[in-house]
Amino acid sequence: DTEVTQTPKHLVMGMTNKKSLKCEQHMGHRAMYWYKQKAKKPPELMFVYSYEKLSINESVPSRFSPECPNSSLLNLHLHALQPEDSALYLCASGPVPGRVVRETQYFGPGTRLLVL
Amino acid sequence: SQQGEEDPQALSIQEGENATMNCSYKTSINNLQWYRQNSGRGLVHLILIRSNEREKHSGRLRVTLDTSKKSSSLLITASRAADTASYFCATAALNLYSGAGSYQLTFGKGTKLSVIP
Repeated sequence: DTEVTQTPKHLVMGMTNKKSLKCEQHMGHRAMYWYKQKAKKPPELMFVYSYEKLSINESVPSRFSPECPNSSLLNLHLHALQPEDSALYLCASGPVPGRVVRETQYFGPGTRLLVL
Repeated sequence: SQQGEEDPQALSIQEGENATMNCSYKTSINNLQWYRQNSGRGLVHLILIRSNEREKHSGRLRVTLDTSKKSSSLLITASRAADTASYFCATAALNLYSGAGSYQLTFGKGTKLSVIP
């Protein structure tokens, strides 16, 4: 299984809502990532988890709250978002250093988020 | 921060022609990877070239890496309409912060390739 799944595929939320994005992989990868991608722009790294511990937070506002409940799951909790947070949110997984055959990342299809 | 810069930003060619995309980067890397993204979807890994390699092939793809110039190129030969997509280079750097670490990818701005049947 070389698939990363993300739910939901589309999400529309108001600025006062609380929602969560979910990501799952069963490739045994111990590094998982959240990226944000605005239209016609490249993905920008938001968070990195390594062995279920947050290792990188790229100065993301606190209205985005990541969570890694176990080695297969990654969540992104959303609260009080702004319209400018509308984007495609991509999850990825990959190997950690030292257990590498290929240092590639496997991406999910993304959640397209619209904040009204 | 965005490190890779792709050139051109957009490329339109006829089916059967070759497509060449270039990428430049600024800092030292472990490897450089190329990804493809169909309109608004997830990214698919195409090919990886390590910092000690100069050229690599995979099917119709050929990647070169010049670490002295901090640049890479992706060549797609005999293009097909199905190759229409955005192509991103991504530099991979080892991040050992907080224990086990991870590979951190920094993506370039991308090249939008259109292959006309």
